[in-house]
Amino acid sequence: DGGITQSPKYLFRKEGQNVTLSCEQNLNHDAMYWYRQDPGQGLRLIYYSQIVNDFQKGDIAEGYSVSREKKESFPLTVTSAQKNPTAFYLCASSIAGYNQPQHFGDGTRLSIL
Amino acid sequence: KQEVTQIPAALSVPEGENLVLNCSFTDSAIYNLQWFRQDPGKGLTSLLLIQSSQREQTSGRLNASLDKSSGRSTLYIAASQPGDSATYLCAVESYNTDKLIFGTGTRLQVFP
Repeated sequence: DGGITQSPKYLFRKEGQNVTLSCEQNLNHDAMYWYRQDPGQGLRLIYYSQIVNDFQKGDIAEGYSVSREKKESFPLTVTSAQKNPTAFYLCASSIAGYNQPQHFGDGTRLSIL
Repeated sequence: KQEVTQIPAALSVPEGENLVLNCSFTDSAIYNLQWFRQDPGKGLTSLLLIQSSQREQTSGRLNASLDKSSGRSTLYIAASQPGDSATYLCAVESYNTDKLIFGTGTRLQVFP
């Protein structure tokens, strides 16, 4: 089955710890995205990548980092600099270009211990 | 700056009703408007994408319209069913940002 796989489903972070969220897709999409979803605030874009080895900051990139070494993979690291990381994180992918629908994974819920 | 608003925030209807969800946006310079469905604790599922040159799109019991000049879109759900219960989000892909800007969603409950 083609789709996007996010892991883990639940993740807990200790103070001062970096954690990495995994996102893998087998849809052969060039573009990939990371969003953060907080209650009552909708989705906000953290980082996006239109092609391998290239990525751009979204609206709320501070405290996060990404890499895009392979077309299928776009991991997100939540660093200790992100002071309020508790949220639902969603990864998406699409064919590059305009007017292409985005396909989403099932998300990772990150909480602070 | 593009802003997307969805009204109402929540809606509860009996099974079988036809219903309309509303989405408005402040900047008409868009490539498209998209409607998504989100089940609790899950990701988003794309329902309909309306390009800026189009007026409406249909998929099964769903019909979405777009009035770009007035900055409005509606999602019409015919003969609602309990399985339609979910949060519905709209998003616009704007010229000046090349990103999707999301509304905060309408939480729909359809009761038997």
